[in-house]
Amino acid sequence: GAGVSQSPSNKVTEKGKDVELRCDPISGHTALYWYRQRLGQGLEFLIYFQGNSAPDKSGLPSDRFSAERTGESVSTLTIQRTQQEDSAVYLCASSTTGGGGELFFGEGSRLTVL
Amino acid sequence: AQKITQTQPGMFVQEKEAVTLDCTYDTSDQSYGLFWYKQPSSGEMIFLIYQGSYDEQNATEGRYSLNFQKARKSANLVISASQLGDSAMYFCAMRERRSGYSTLTFGKGTMLLVSP
Repeated sequence: GAGVSQSPSNKVTEKGKDVELRCDPISGHTALYWYRQRLGQGLEFLIYFQGNSAPDKSGLPSDRFSAERTGESVSTLTIQRTQQEDSAVYLCASSTTGGGGELFFGEGSRLTVL
Repeated sequence: AQKITQTQPGMFVQEKEAVTLDCTYDTSDQSYGLFWYKQPSSGEMIFLIYQGSYDEQNATEGRYSLNFQKARKSANLVISASQLGDSAMYFCAMRERRSGYSTLTFGKGTMLLVSP
């Protein structure tokens, strides 16, 4: 596609439920990032994928968070047993490499946990 | 650890005026990069401008320029001739090198409101 696509754009869930967020990067971009943006805050790094290499999961806040990506395609971010503090916008970005070039962001998935 | 500080939670400017959004950073790296992104209400992060630490001249992109003062560790964004469509959140970010790749560390942002 022309840009990074994320779905759903909005998700409201009950505390304790699992949610899955999807990111479709720009075609040909090998690097993919997930960030979390809490209300009124900047972006927090969550996880990085580069091609078929093992991801850097160092930013994931707890073991309830996990992410997958197959090759250079779609990525899913899963949050299990959601808590109210998980409410945030989850942004996905991709780039041609992970070497430090411009990141292209999607419009984010807004998660609200009641 | 790297840190980005944006001290202005909100800024107001009248249409057609210039505005400066402040950003200071802290790093022990000799080589680094600084970015500014715009986030309108739609939520997408839009890349505006980039400054490399070894770039001798300040970066410019149309109405955007970056006032880079290396000794002061500041990288302020200057928007000339503000337009109503410039109303948005603005984030300063620094490239953070990790093992084999880079990510971005963001400040908390500045909300810019442009009035007619």
